[in-house]
Amino acid sequence: SSELTQDPAVSVALGQTVRITCQGDSLRSYYASWYQQKPGQAPVLVIYGKNNRPSGIPDRFSGSSSGNTASLTITGAQAEDEADYYCNSRDSSGNPHWVFGGGTKLTVL
Amino acid sequence: QVQLQESGPGLVKPSETLSLTCAVSGYSISSGYYWGWIRQPPGKGLEWIGSIYHSGSTYYNPSLKSRVTISVDTSKNQFSLKLSSVTAADTAVYYCASRTCSSTSCPFDYWGQGTLVTVSS
Repeated sequence: SSELTQDPAVSVALGQTVRITCQGDSLRSYYASWYQQKPGQAPVLVIYGKNNRPSGIPDRFSGSSSGNTASLTITGAQAEDEADYYCNSRDSSGNPHWVFGGGTKLTVL
Repeated sequence: QVQLQESGPGLVKPSETLSLTCAVSGYSISSGYYWGWIRQPPGKGLEWIGSIYHSGSTYYNPSLKSRVTISVDTSKNQFSLKLSSVTAADTAVYYCASRTCSSTSCPFDYWGQGTLVTVSS
């Protein structure tokens, strides 16, 4: 079982806003990073740190954190945003070990 | 821009050792960064295997630690993964990735395309 918990599936209407969440004790002291993965492709980093986007990631993607919950928000979801999304952070052991959430399948309706 | 490319056998027999190499271009491993391996069984989620710093310090997933070795070869600008005593449960797409770490964040910023390794006799 993962120390980071994500909802297995979320849906959003085209053009609407969706929030994908990730819960875990380690998130109280360490930021999550978020990855988008489309079928047959490697994951792509979309958000890291407090709310940083790598070059090339649209600004409709944003991140936030409160307590033990990290969130990825897509404002104005597009059809091409349909994908699996994974959060990643340290585990709660205090050691430099890392865990991924179980992933959230985002469907854009 | 950093580019990574995995290579190695696509088929490994049960009980043998899986060996993969990740060639890095666009950046010198000896300059810094952390380097890591992640795997994804077919139809399942991502699993962190382990990471190595350019100096050679290693960190492994506790659930795999007894079977995993990650090493770096700065002369070839590559790093490697060895996973011993494999079973069918180790069948997965294996990714190598780079990481840029701060005190509060350590994302995998660049990924290889992944390579499928099947464990079967």
